[in-house]
Amino acid sequence: DAKTTQPPSMDCAEGRAANLPCNHSTISGNEYVYWYRQIHSQGPQYIIHGLKNNETNEMASLIITEDRKSSTLILPHATLRDTAVYYCIVRFPHSGGYQKVTFGTGTKLQVIP
Amino acid sequence: DTEVTQTPKHLVMGMTNKKSLKCEQHMGHRAMYWYKQKAKKPPELMFVYSYEKLSINESVPSRFSPECPNSSLLNLHLHALQPEDSALYLCASSQVGQTQETQYFGPGTRLLVL
Repeated sequence: DAKTTQPPSMDCAEGRAANLPCNHSTISGNEYVYWYRQIHSQGPQYIIHGLKNNETNEMASLIITEDRKSSTLILPHATLRDTAVYYCIVRFPHSGGYQKVTFGTGTKLQVIP
Repeated sequence: DTEVTQTPKHLVMGMTNKKSLKCEQHMGHRAMYWYKQKAKKPPELMFVYSYEKLSINESVPSRFSPECPNSSLLNLHLHALQPEDSALYLCASSQVGQTQETQYFGPGTRLLVL
């Protein structure tokens, strides 16, 4: 699976949009981009994923560049509860049906009141 | 029900003890996972079970022994652990055969080895 690079930390004012970048310049054509987050002392939580097109769900939006070498997770109106470590993961759909997820170091997002 | 439960929440054990961690899900997922997470580090995959059979062992020491007695349960048996094994142990589950499926994680068991 392709390696990802994320800034170690970011701050965001409460109520503003949080834009979390991820670089995955070695991504292959059929590798998906996934985002998870981990709130302190909890298990990771799935946020969103995409292949080529931009995606949106009730939690966030995912913007993938046309060359697919980078992506941005957008939390449109950050709240204090969004303070967490955000992991960008790139992986193939596994032929065995299960998933071998390799977490990078992630971005620690601090939402400030 | 999209919940993965783990028991106990906290565990303190000595290096000569034998203990077990338990994970349960009722989402019909046939893939289950154990991860280890040290403080301020990302989770690291330990084991993967698919259809109750061990599919991946990421070169984990034999003092960690996984078991999948049925499709809803996953255990991690611990024996003769070292202090450096102190960590948060996370269980996860997912569908099998769905290329875009995601993993659902439990809250973890925080283990302290004295």
